Amino acid sequence: EVQLVESGGGLVQPGGSLRLSCAASGFTFSYYAMTWVRQAPGKGLEWVSAISGRGDTTYYADSVKGRFTISRDESKNTLFMQMNSLRVDDTAVYYCARSGAIVPTILDYWGQGILVPVSS
Amino acid sequence: QLVLTQSPSASASLGASVRLTCTLSSGHRSFGIAWHQQLPEKGPRYLMKLNSDGSHTKGDGVPDRFSGSSSGSERYLTISSLQFEDEAVYYCQTWGTDIQVFGGGTKLTVL
Repeated sequence: EVQLVESGGGLVQPGGSLRLSCAASGFTFSYYAMTWVRQAPGKGLEWVSAISGRGDTTYYADSVKGRFTISRDESKNTLFMQMNSLRVDDTAVYYCARSGAIVPTILDYWGQGILVPVSS
Repeated sequence: QLVLTQSPSASASLGASVRLTCTLSSGHRSFGIAWHQQLPEKGPRYLMKLNSDGSHTKGDGVPDRFSGSSSGSERYLTISSLQFEDEAVYYCQTWGTDIQVFGGGTKLTVL
């Protein structure tokens, strides 16, 4: 059974940093691209970032480019998102998702999400 | 620019059928998409991958009542024999060379 479990969320002040983790199980982690998606309160889904199965290619939405860094650790079957220079409008539930063999395409499994409130 | 357009809301009666539409931006009519369901206060759930020729592959445990079809730049999700449990927001999603994109979502109300 494919499982994705996010952790690392919590209240952070504007300008602060946070690292999200997503523990994956039930599939060959290194074979799949992975994606982070967020959802601000009362809003729709917004693609944030993705990483190829090999980890050699990363992709970012313009809204987070230069502030967020996606990475993965194959030995731990874990996806990460380092978030720096956080802003109030980064407040959202963050979801990790499996997103296709090798390169990011469709999102076919989702985690339960983790809340990241950014507020002073 | 790769954009997906969805109507904000739709409604249909219990037991009826409803077809939701996702429209691809100009120049992208050959793209496949995915449909996702988000129940109230829950995370998204993958429903199916839908190709430009209308062929589709459903996710684990997705009922037969859910089906997909395509016409030109439009991608459809049809839900038959509507149940109250189908009341949710439905998102379409696609991908480009270095980007993944979501539609704005359609909130489905079952009357």
